Formats: sequence, structure tokens, C-alpha cells
Amino acid sequence: QVQVVESGGGLVKPGGSLRLSCAASGFTFSDYYMSWIRQAPGKGLEWVSYISNSGSDIYYADSVRGRFTISRDNAKDSLYLQMNSLTAEDTAVYYCTRGHTMIAHWGQGTLVTVSS
Amino acid sequence: EIVLTQSPGTLSLSPGEGATLSCRASQSVRNSFLAWYQQKPGRAPRLLIYDTSTRATGIPDRFSGSGSGTDFTLTISRLEPEDFALYYCQQYGSSPWTFGQGTKVEFK
Repeated sequence: QVQVVESGGGLVKPGGSLRLSCAASGFTFSDYYMSWIRQAPGKGLEWVSYISNSGSDIYYADSVRGRFTISRDNAKDSLYLQMNSLTAEDTAVYYCTRGHTMIAHWGQGTLVTVSS
Repeated sequence: EIVLTQSPGTLSLSPGEGATLSCRASQSVRNSFLAWYQQKPGRAPRLLIYDTSTRATGIPDRFSGSGSGTDFTLTISRLEPEDFALYYCQQYGSSPWTFGQGTKVEFK
């Protein structure tokens, strides 16, 4: 079955960096766009970034553009999100998801907390 | 950016009752590319409906979606205990894709 599993979350100080990873299984990873969607504690959902199956089509939300970098390794069935210059507003559960329009497959999420 | 406004914020109902959730867009949603998700505490969202009215795999037929243009509706015909949750709409017709702020369906 389709499975995506995030890792790499944790506590980081403002201005710091963190790299999230997502391991995919149960489908042909290189056939699909992938996305990161986040949810701040007690808040709604925000699309952070997506990347095409080849990596040639990339989207970033205005709130993260220039600070976050999405990438993928199709040989390793893995998706990444490099997050730099983190602020308190980036505190959220980050979900790795398959697809880039409507999302049928979500990971369990990894919590990123930005605090001094 | 298309802003999605969901109403009501909270719906207080009893099992067996019907629920009608609204999602209004600030501009027309291209190709009716609108989805609905259900989320329970501590869990990832679950896709219920996409393309306005198509049920996702495994979603019971008590869930239905309708609408066009700027007005969309999720209807739950008879609430089961497991349906009490938070519901989000999302549009993917115009970049950036956006979500509504959610409607909570709670026990009356």
C-alpha cells in the first residue's frame, strides 16, 4: 500500500535550519509529483511546496520562498525539504504527501518547533 | 490568491442528522477543482471528495459534494459517530492552491 513517512522534525532555534525527509513506498515514486503541506498548532492547512516527478517543476508558497528548498532523489524514493532561516511562524506539523492537486495520500506528519 | 471561506465555523448535531457544510470562494474555481477533507485530532487529513463531487476511494456514499463557480457544499446525509471531526475544503484550480479555515462538526 502507498506509504509516506516523514522524519527530521524537532526543536530548532530561530534563524536555524532543519532538513525534513520523506521515505516513500508502495508506489512508483518517480511517477508522481510530491508535496509538503504544513499545519500550525490549532490552525489550518498551508501548501508549502511541491516538486514534479522529474524535479523540473517546483512551487513554493510566498511565506517560504527563498528560505526553503524542496528536492527529491528518485533512486532512493525520497523527498526532502531543506528549511533555513526558520522563524516561530514556521512552527507546524509538516506533512509529506503524494500528488500536487488533491491529496489522497498523507504521511503522519513531523513536528517542527522553532523556539529559543 | 483564491480565499476559501467555510461556514458555519461549528456545526452542533446529533448522530443520524444531516449536515450541510459550505465553502465559498473569493473567485470562481477553475474547472470546479475543489476537494473536501476530514481531519480528526492528531491525524492527517483524509480526502473525501475531489473535483467537487467525486468520492475518493473507500468513502461511504453518505458523503456527497456539489457546487460550481464560487459556491460549494459538502453534505453528510446521516451522521455516524465517526463523522464528528473537522472538515476542510481546498481548491486546486488556480495557483496557489488554498484551503478553507475549516468547519468543525461536533456532538450536540
